[in-house]
Amino acid sequence: KQEVTQIPAALSVPEGENLVLNCSFTDSAIYNLQWFRQDPGKGLTSLLLIQSSQREQTSGRLNASLDKSSGRSTLYIAASQPGDSATYLCAVPGGYQKVTFGTGTKLQVIP
Amino acid sequence: GAGVSQSPSNKVTEKGKDVELRCDPISGHTALYWYRQSLGQGLEFLIYFQGNSAPDKSGLPSDRFSAERTGGSVSTLTIQRTQQEDSAVYLCASSSRPYEQYFGPGTRLTVT
Repeated sequence: KQEVTQIPAALSVPEGENLVLNCSFTDSAIYNLQWFRQDPGKGLTSLLLIQSSQREQTSGRLNASLDKSSGRSTLYIAASQPGDSATYLCAVPGGYQKVTFGTGTKLQVIP
Repeated sequence: GAGVSQSPSNKVTEKGKDVELRCDPISGHTALYWYRQSLGQGLEFLIYFQGNSAPDKSGLPSDRFSAERTGGSVSTLTIQRTQQEDSAVYLCASSSRPYEQYFGPGTRLTVT
């Protein structure tokens, strides 16, 4: 059974700081990995999708890396802004056509 | 293009009543998922539809929950005889490629 862990559970940083969010998964035979953000009471917004053959993906100030062999992914956010405050979730395949989500990292960027 | 839409955005109902939640997936997406997220909790898988195949209902918590998908597009999640523990945000996602999901804004259900 796929298990996904995200560390830290919560993070508070001053505006402008660069930061790294971590995602670990137990079954490294994954097809892809997807990072989402979730604002309070809202749905999930897809940020980045990394295929198993890729090592990283970039979108603006976001960079996600994938190390399948060690079962880890990181989401790097450069020059953080208050608007980045949200919960960040990673998701990996966990069973036939099912996705297993991590419990998330709640990020607060302080102006 | 248009994303996944869900309606209503908020629903308040009395205990014991039935509710229907609607999901309109991204056009052309053959897969559709329903999840539940209780306050402060992670996502709980409910049901998965893929094309015309039989749905995977393994996540439905009780027989009060059911879902259908008409014409391979719009889906309705029905909760009968609602209970207070059904209060949560219900999220729908659609997909055109394996394990790649796009979510709607969710329906917040409150059972009083």
